[in-house]
Amino acid sequence: NAGVTQTPKFQVLKTGQSMTLQCAQDMNHEYMSWYRQDPGMGLRLIHYSVGAGITDQGEVPNGYNVSRSTTEDFPLRLLSAAPSQTSVYFCASSYFSGAGPTSSGYTFGSGTRLTVV
Amino acid sequence: AQTVTQSQPEMSVQEAETVTLSCTYDTSESNYYLFWYKQPPSRQMILVIRQEAYKQQNATENRFSVNFQKAAKSFSLKISDSQLGDTAMYFCAFMKQGDSNYQLIWGAGTKLIIKP
Repeated sequence: NAGVTQTPKFQVLKTGQSMTLQCAQDMNHEYMSWYRQDPGMGLRLIHYSVGAGITDQGEVPNGYNVSRSTTEDFPLRLLSAAPSQTSVYFCASSYFSGAGPTSSGYTFGSGTRLTVV
Repeated sequence: AQTVTQSQPEMSVQEAETVTLSCTYDTSESNYYLFWYKQPPSRQMILVIRQEAYKQQNATENRFSVNFQKAAKSFSLKISDSQLGDTAMYFCAFMKQGDSNYQLIWGAGTKLIIKP
């Protein structure tokens, strides 16, 4: 089925470890983004990309890196995991128009629950 | 900066009843979009309904409808004939048209429980 695929679904890391969360979409969406979801709060934007080779920071980028070498893939790297990065991470994609992502909204992956101990 | 407020952390209703979830937002923008997303226990984020700010007509999708009051900056979601499968977290979100980072600004969510 077409959509956004995130792996892994669950991950436990020790403080200081690094890892990459994978995100892939098969809808030829130009726009892709990463959000984190913390209890009692709305989702917050980490990084985003409007096309291959183009990335930029969102609201909470510290401690994370991204790259976009293809239209399909948008991995999120945690450089040195900290307990404050314990969260659920969502990848989302959308078609892109001159005014931004289309008003139909985003397609979300099923999320990755990350725990840093 | 834009903010989105959902004042009801949790609500519960009986199956088949109608329920309304509240959302208010703060913005100085004229052109924007508003969304309601549903997040069931599976964690998947599902678009329920969207509204363009320039449209005066309230959006509807089957049993889901909104009451969009632009001047009051209010965007409530009404669920008619509620079903057990409607049990989920519901999030209200705002997106400024033409924003440089195309960011969705989210409320904290309302947990909706449909009781049999």
